[in-house]
Amino acid sequence: QKEVEQDPGPLSVPEGAIVSLNCTYSNSAFQYFMWYRQYSRKGPELLMYTYSSGNKEDGRFTAQVDKSSKYISLFIRDSQPSDSATYLCARNTGNQFYFGTGTSLTVIP
Amino acid sequence: GAVVSQHPSRVICKSGTSVKIECRSLDFQATTMFWYRQFPKQSLMLMATSNEGSKATYEQGVEKDKFLINHASLTLSTLTVTSAHPEDSSFYICSATGGEGSGANVLTFGAGSRLTVL
Repeated sequence: QKEVEQDPGPLSVPEGAIVSLNCTYSNSAFQYFMWYRQYSRKGPELLMYTYSSGNKEDGRFTAQVDKSSKYISLFIRDSQPSDSATYLCARNTGNQFYFGTGTSLTVIP
Repeated sequence: GAVVSQHPSRVICKSGTSVKIECRSLDFQATTMFWYRQFPKQSLMLMATSNEGSKATYEQGVEKDKFLINHASLTLSTLTVTSAHPEDSSFYICSATGGEGSGANVLTFGAGSRLTVL
């Protein structure tokens, strides 16, 4: 079983739609959860991180963690063409980081 | 926010030569630095983990004599691809912990270096 499972997509939505990106994880140890955005031929860019269950909001982005079901989500409101990228979820246990395979998102104008 | 600078962003070299990639944490002291390799449309593959002043820990299957990692200071790590061959052509990305408010629990990535070996 992989440490972090992520639906690879691809996901295609019209501009303005709400996007939901999801991951599941297997380890219950104390950890942080992260979401990264990666444009083609660029390094991943940290969008948000959190360590507790619940929601964390930053502009159009909301990260949600449900530790009881080991489920993490990233919601993007009012999606824009510039949001088109690959989104990676990640978690850590100490100095070890585990990444999902990434979900490719395309926002169509 | 935390910034990790990586260069060169793109390098082309001849087979048999060595290439050095630098990774710097610009506004924080990196607790640990990580080097990843990424093939097109694939996820990140961890190559090695390094702490300042100590030898890097390589992942299984990564040749430490081919991919030399030096972590000379808390703000600088280098990856040298020695005697490069076309199969070493890839996208190499460094990352570091210690930048965000969470300290060692969040990774900040560099912009990546695309290596093409002719």
